[in-house]
Amino acid sequence: EVQLVESGGGLVQPGGSLRLSCAASGFTFSTYAMSWVRQAPGKGLEWVSGITGSGDRTYYADSVKGRFTISRDNSNNTLYFQMNSLRAEDTAVYYCAKWGIAAAGNWFDPWGQGTQVIVSS
Amino acid sequence: DIQMTQSPSSVSPSVGDRVTITCRASQGIGGWLTWYQQKPGKAPKLLIYASSSLQSGVPSRFSGSGSGTDFTLTISSLQPEDFATYYCQQALSFPFTFGPGTKVDIK
Repeated sequence: EVQLVESGGGLVQPGGSLRLSCAASGFTFSTYAMSWVRQAPGKGLEWVSGITGSGDRTYYADSVKGRFTISRDNSNNTLYFQMNSLRAEDTAVYYCAKWGIAAAGNWFDPWGQGTQVIVSS
Repeated sequence: DIQMTQSPSSVSPSVGDRVTITCRASQGIGGWLTWYQQKPGKAPKLLIYASSSLQSGVPSRFSGSGSGTDFTLTISSLQPEDFATYYCQQALSFPFTFGPGTKVDIK
């Protein structure tokens, strides 16, 4: 069974940093792209970043580009999200998701349970 | 960026009703459209990818159609477990963008 378990969320002051982790199991991690998607309280979904299976290519939404960094450790089946210069508007539940890519389309499945990030003084 | 809109924003059908949700992209995306279901406090769940391909394990009462800019998600006979919020997402180009969601509420 594919499992994704996020950790590392918490309360941080504006301007601070956090590193999220996503532990993956049940599939050959290194062969799949992964993504982070966030959801602000009471709001919809926002894709924020993605990374290829090998880690050689990364993608970011403009809202986080230059502040956040996605990376992965394929030897430990773990996805990371380093978040610097955090702002109040970064407050959200952060989900990691396995990113399926095929000629027919691409999709996020499954998703982890999410980790809450609160940016507040 | 490609903007996604959904209608209605909420609907209150009865069990057994047919429910149709519409999603529109601000520019043509071919068939690169994905649908998710999210229940309160839970992570989203993939329902349909490539506009009309049903994800394994998803009940056949869910179906998707459309191409270009206009898409629909149909639930043929609403079941109690289908009350949730539904999101469409364009999967053609970065940044991937989601619609604002359609809440299917209990009547």
